[in-house]
Amino acid sequence: DVKVTQSSRYLVKRTGEKVFLECVQDMDHENMFWYRQDPGLGLRLIYFSYDVKMKEKGDIPEGYSVSREKKERFSLILESASTNQTSMYLCASSFGQIYGYTFGSGTRLTVV
Amino acid sequence: GQQLNQSPQSMFIQEGEDVSMNCTSSSIFNTWLWYKQEPGEGPVLLIALYKAGELTSNGRLTAQFGITRKDSFLNISASIPSDVGIYFCAGRGSSNTGKLIFGQGTTLQVKP
Repeated sequence: DVKVTQSSRYLVKRTGEKVFLECVQDMDHENMFWYRQDPGLGLRLIYFSYDVKMKEKGDIPEGYSVSREKKERFSLILESASTNQTSMYLCASSFGQIYGYTFGSGTRLTVV
Repeated sequence: GQQLNQSPQSMFIQEGEDVSMNCTSSSIFNTWLWYKQEPGEGPVLLIALYKAGELTSNGRLTAQFGITRKDSFLNISASIPSDVGIYFCAGRGSSNTGKLIFGQGTTLQVKP
């Protein structure tokens, strides 16, 4: 089974801190995605990547950046965390442009 | 960003009842997928549909790819308490570079 592993299930950070959320997949998928999930707003795409060192903005990239130095790892960076970035963050990966995504278990981030 | 219209937003039903939910899009999709997200976890793929008119079952779950290619339906028969969660539809067209578009989700609660 494909596994997408997010490094932390729960994180609490202070306003202004730089925050790194890590995601690793073990099935050689070229596509990786970061979403945030908030009640009533569904899944909103932050950034995605189709290959190493490639990144593209999703629907809500403001306040975030990403890094993909290796194919299996896709990192989401909050340059200066703010309270409105308190959310559930989901990483996903996929193969090609036909199949569905495999999601990680999520990281619930609280910014205080 | 583009979103699907998923309904209903929430359902509270009695154990043993059947459940229906659907998604509609303003554009044609080539793929429809249905995911389930349990509390505190990431979404898990339930059913994938790749052809208009296709009807696919997974245990008590049945999903259909609408013949217009602009909608999809998910039915759950004889619901049980472990069906609780958020159900997401997702679609992929030919114009959005392989990215999935997600519905807002249907929250299902089952009363024993």
